[in-house]
Amino acid sequence: QQQVKQSPQSLIVQKGGISIINCAYENTAFDYFPWYQQFPGKGPALLIAIRPDVSEKKEGRFTISFNKSAKQFSLHIMDSQPGDSATYFCAASNDYKLSFGAGTTVTVRA
Amino acid sequence: DAGITQSPRHKVTETGTPVTLRCHQTENHRYMYWYRQDPGHGLRLIHYSYGVKDTDKGEVSDGYSVSRSKTEDFLLTLESATSSQTSVYFCAISETNIQPQHFGDGTRLSIL
Repeated sequence: QQQVKQSPQSLIVQKGGISIINCAYENTAFDYFPWYQQFPGKGPALLIAIRPDVSEKKEGRFTISFNKSAKQFSLHIMDSQPGDSATYFCAASNDYKLSFGAGTTVTVRA
Repeated sequence: DAGITQSPRHKVTETGTPVTLRCHQTENHRYMYWYRQDPGHGLRLIHYSYGVKDTDKGEVSDGYSVSRSKTEDFLLTLESATSSQTSVYFCAISETNIQPQHFGDGTRLSIL
């Protein structure tokens, strides 16, 4: 069974809007939580990552919020742009083994 | 971009045939991984390597074997391909066990 549950499966947002993707996990041994962005025909590319000792990390328009007690983390894409249209995967790691969520396809309408 | 080359990029083959996919890296990273990507499942780890000749199983290793005789090459073999192994296969590398993984552009494998 999937160790990381991701929602929604897809979302559509207007240009300039906020995209929010949520993930939940059960294994409290996970200690590294990356987000990957994938364009069609390409491999996933690391977007941003967080460790459980911080509650939020921001890089440009991308922010991870982390709630350790709830075992949840989320990705916020601010001021969404058409170039952000891609599939996003959350993941969680214990040592070097990554467990991925099922992915969220984000479509940004111009 | 991390120097990762996967070959072939596309392959169509028949059930029961052997298939080998190659991952070649130019980064001299110690760790290499093979994943498969299927709709609704994200990416799932098949096998990984933590050094030359050092490999171990991942989440979905049944029907797959791997070999790593050189730091730069990690081979994934389907001894007798089945239709359930139709998927997109990704190789990833990382410098250490706590460093981010970087992915190649994948091999699309269709088994008829």
